[in-house]
Amino acid sequence: GAGVSQSPSNKVTEKGKDVELRCDPISGHTALYWYRQSLGQGLEFLIYFQGNSAPDKSGLPSDRFSAERTGGSVSTLTIQRTQQEDSAVYLCASSRGLLNTEAFFGQGTRLTVV
Amino acid sequence: QKEVEQNSGPLSVPEGAIASLNCTYSDRGSQSFFWYRQYSGKSPELIMFIYSNGDKEDGRFTAQLNKASQYVSLLIRDSQPSDSATYLCASPIYNQGGKLIFGQGTELSVKP
Repeated sequence: GAGVSQSPSNKVTEKGKDVELRCDPISGHTALYWYRQSLGQGLEFLIYFQGNSAPDKSGLPSDRFSAERTGGSVSTLTIQRTQQEDSAVYLCASSRGLLNTEAFFGQGTRLTVV
Repeated sequence: QKEVEQNSGPLSVPEGAIASLNCTYSDRGSQSFFWYRQYSGKSPELIMFIYSNGDKEDGRFTAQLNKASQYVSLLIRDSQPSDSATYLCASPIYNQGGKLIFGQGTELSVKP
């Protein structure tokens, strides 16, 4: 597609349920990022995939969070046993993957845990 | 020290003035810097990037990079109310595999 696509746009879930968020990056982009943004806050780095390298998971806040990237393209962020503090906008971005190339963002998934 | 730091603001300027947004970074190996604009409720969008020391101009926007001082700035000339947004500075961190790190963002308000 022309841009980074995320689904769903909005997700309301009950506390304790698992959720999956999907990101479809720009075709040919080897780098993919997940960030989290709480209301009025900055971007919190979660995880970074670069080509076939092991992902940088250093930003994942707990072991309830995991992400995978299949075939070097689509990525899924999974949050298990959701908590109210997980409520935020989850943003995905992709880039060509070289050090000097810019990243483009999807429209985000707004997650609300009730 | 955070890898990329910005003053959170808010920065308020009158319409028509020059808005100056600043960013410092800690990794001397950083090669490139990006400025994103984020309107409330929207995703960040790239507005400028700079790789070389000096100034880079694009319309009303000028990015300035000083690698010796590890400082990058964004100037917005003839500020308009539509420029009111949060501006995010970002850089790939060389010693972390090129991971793109963002500053906390500076909120800009342009008053008519």
